[in-house]
Amino acid sequence: DAGITQSPRHKVTETGTPVTLRCHQTENHRYMYWYRQDPGHGLRLIHYSYGVKDTDKGEVSDGYSVSRSKTEDFLLTLESATSSQTSVYFCAISVRQGSYEQFFGPGTRLTVL
Amino acid sequence: QKEVEQDPGPLSVPEGAIVSLNCTYSNSAFQYFMWYRQYSRKGPELLMYTYSSGNKEDGRFTAQVDKSSKYISLFIRDSQPSDSATYLCAMSRPTYSGGGADGLTFGKGTHLIIQP
Repeated sequence: DAGITQSPRHKVTETGTPVTLRCHQTENHRYMYWYRQDPGHGLRLIHYSYGVKDTDKGEVSDGYSVSRSKTEDFLLTLESATSSQTSVYFCAISVRQGSYEQFFGPGTRLTVL
Repeated sequence: QKEVEQDPGPLSVPEGAIVSLNCTYSNSAFQYFMWYRQYSRKGPELLMYTYSSGNKEDGRFTAQVDKSSKYISLFIRDSQPSDSATYLCAMSRPTYSGGGADGLTFGKGTHLIIQP
């Protein structure tokens, strides 16, 4: 898992509640990413970060926010969860400067009732 | 038209067969190509990473890129039941932010079944 942990690994929540997912890496890599994976859509980029406090939006960023106050942690927040955000969420990192290959964490399975 | 097209399968082949998995893409800016393997309820695992056109071999796996046709392939020789998984192609355009990519564009994945 390239030194990536995600927490929680599973979560069930109610519509309208806030949810925060955490991605933690152990090797101070600069680039971190959040993706969601849904049947029929594959993996889609939500947000990414290229350094502490430096983040940008991906393809499906509506309804999500991110924060990165430390190199090792990248947080994904659903301010008010909706059933359409039921998905599997993966964190990824790039490990080499100038490289485009990414390594993924184990995922968080989120269900919004 | 989706940027990356990949047949979802399932693709079922007997053990020992050569497997061919493919993706087509529409964005000519893509220059970096990857193949991932994903087992059920696990994260994607990087198998192959290639730049521009050509072939790359790693053990039983060969990745092939044809930029003129916007077509990439992954070949698996001497397929094993443990190769049964979903295979995802992914690609990226160059970025000028001085570092890594601003995200990968994925195909939807091909479900591969190797029959013992």
